[in-house]
Amino acid sequence: DTEVTQTPKHLVMGMTNKKSLKCEQHMGHRAMYWYKQKAKKPPELMFVYSYEKLSINESVPSRFSPECPNSSLLNLHLHALQPEDSALYLCASSQDRRGTSSTDTQYFGPGTRLTVL
Amino acid sequence: GIQVEQSPPDLILQEGANSTLRCNFSDSVNNLQWFHQNPWGQLINLFYIPSGTKQNGRLSATTVATERYSLLYISSSQTTDSGVYFCAVEDRNTGNQFYFGTGTSLTVIP
Repeated sequence: DTEVTQTPKHLVMGMTNKKSLKCEQHMGHRAMYWYKQKAKKPPELMFVYSYEKLSINESVPSRFSPECPNSSLLNLHLHALQPEDSALYLCASSQDRRGTSSTDTQYFGPGTRLTVL
Repeated sequence: GIQVEQSPPDLILQEGANSTLRCNFSDSVNNLQWFHQNPWGQLINLFYIPSGTKQNGRLSATTVATERYSLLYISSSQTTDSGVYFCAVEDRNTGNQFYFGTGTSLTVIP
């Protein structure tokens, strides 16, 4: 099974709302990622978790708060977002060859289309 | 971070034609992948190819890591090949840090 699932598929929220995006994989991968993709642009890395610990934060504003409760789950908590945060949010996972600075094939979920009003 | 440029940015092909997409990167990488993004946004793995050549049906890819480029070949293109093709590289210095290329938007017309 090479599936990464994401919920919800679509989300509309106001600037004062709090919401969460969820990502799940059961491939035994120990690296999980959040990406943001604006229309007609490539995905941009936001956060990386390695063995359930935050290893990379690409200077993402604090209104985005990631969480990795266990090795299969990754959440992205959203609070006080701005209209410019509207985008496709993609989750991915891969093997993490700890100690070798090397990973393996990334598998992506279908994404959550977020609209901030 | 690593700069990743893809060419051409846009490509229109007649069904049945062949094409070559290019990915250039600015530094040493651990990992290079090619993806196809469909109109619904799903990124589909095509190849994991940090070096060498691989083939899968009508698609093949070659990465020359020492010269910092990779090529994706599509032969006998079909309308279902339409979409955006991305390469993504992993920074060798940091690990787990991936950078996507600028993408090639392919349209195959019947």
